[in-house]
Amino acid sequence: QQQVKQSPQSLIVQKGGISIINCAYENTAFDYFPWYQQFPGKGPALLIAIRPDVSEKKEGRFTISFNKSAKQFSLHIMDSQPGDSATYFCAAGIIQGAQKLVFGQGTRLTINP
Amino acid sequence: EAQVTQNPRYLITVTGKKLTVTCSQNMNHEYMSWYRQDPGLGLRQIYYSMNVEVTDKGDVPEGYKVSRKEKRNFPLILESPSPNQTSLYFCASSSSQGKGQETQYFGPGTRLLVL
Repeated sequence: QQQVKQSPQSLIVQKGGISIINCAYENTAFDYFPWYQQFPGKGPALLIAIRPDVSEKKEGRFTISFNKSAKQFSLHIMDSQPGDSATYFCAAGIIQGAQKLVFGQGTRLTINP
Repeated sequence: EAQVTQNPRYLITVTGKKLTVTCSQNMNHEYMSWYRQDPGLGLRQIYYSMNVEVTDKGDVPEGYKVSRKEKRNFPLILESPSPNQTSLYFCASSSSQGKGQETQYFGPGTRLLVL
């Protein structure tokens, strides 16, 4: 079964610190790597995504780093804020077709004030 | 407002009693999916649909059925629910065209408890 492995399962970071969540995938056919953010009682929402033709994508305080040869990608949250406390899911898939995403196990991030 | 709606949001039922969870989107999206979310396992795709009358199995389809008779609706059917189907269920939709086509929009979730 195609898998995406995500770590850590939970993460506690002090306000203003850098939060880092890592993911690894197996299927080299994947060409789309999104990160979703989920608040309690809500559905996941797209945070940021990257295609394999670039090694890094930055949107505000959120950055995805992508290492195609290692089949790994990570989410970095700079200057982490209490409002960033949520569960984060990485995913991988193939854009063309039915949007069949494979999700990681999720990381519960807590930012201490 | 563009959204994906699910009903009911919470459901307690007993083993073997057929149930349907409805999903509707108002964005005219072609693609729709159902996921279940379990602690430590993330989101796993149950079924997906590429358009009306076109559906296919995801990673964990056993015990579930779907139908896509209208573009906006994608109900999830549990013909004979079992306790191992206790979970948090999400419906999602996405477009097949244009910028941002790859973005999946998720509903608010349905929490199901099967006794």
